[in-house]
Amino acid sequence: ETGVTQSPTHLIKTRGQQVTLRCSSQSGHNTVSWYQQALGQGPQFIFQYYREEENGRGNFPPRFSGLQFPNYSSELNVNALELDDSALYLCASSPGWGANTQYFGPGTRLTVL
Amino acid sequence: QKEVEQNSGPLSVPEGAIASLNCTYSDRGSQSFFWYRQYSGKSPELIMFIYSNGDKEDGRFTAQLNKASQYVSLLIRDSQPSDSATYLCAVLSNDYKLSFGAGTTVTVRA
Repeated sequence: ETGVTQSPTHLIKTRGQQVTLRCSSQSGHNTVSWYQQALGQGPQFIFQYYREEENGRGNFPPRFSGLQFPNYSSELNVNALELDDSALYLCASSPGWGANTQYFGPGTRLTVL
Repeated sequence: QKEVEQNSGPLSVPEGAIASLNCTYSDRGSQSFFWYRQYSGKSPELIMFIYSNGDKEDGRFTAQLNKASQYVSLLIRDSQPSDSATYLCAVLSNDYKLSFGAGTTVTVRA
């Protein structure tokens, strides 16, 4: 186990709703990255937070937003859910900005109906 | 062109054989390269990373990097049924974005 935790494990929402996913980073890690993994695909980078600031963003629309808190835990918020948002959402923590090695949490499986 | 491409699977190998996985990447400035293993329904687990050209060995795993050819590979020696999983190649760009390939599914036949 990596020490990265995520909640909830599974979630079912309907189109148009909003969702918040949570992540606690491994002890000593101040950088959190979020990924979306659709079935049969590799993880796609959503964004990264370092010391409470967004530090990089992938090709995701603004309805995907996030926060990092002083204890380095993080939230991913998705507004106006679409069917294609159904995926495994992964959080990964690393021990510093640009730090090379990222360790993944168990993920949150989101289903949008 | 995808940023990271892996050889399409699935790859089936007999127990005890060598499994060979390949990956190419498009960003010539990339400096760090990773292999993750992902069991069905689970999250990716880091198994190897490599930064320098050449080979890096860790137990039954060997990663190989050729930056001139923009090519990374992973060899799994003495394959075991527990090695059956999807293997993801990941490349860290200069802006610290980690890009993944689609993965290669390996099945080790007992």
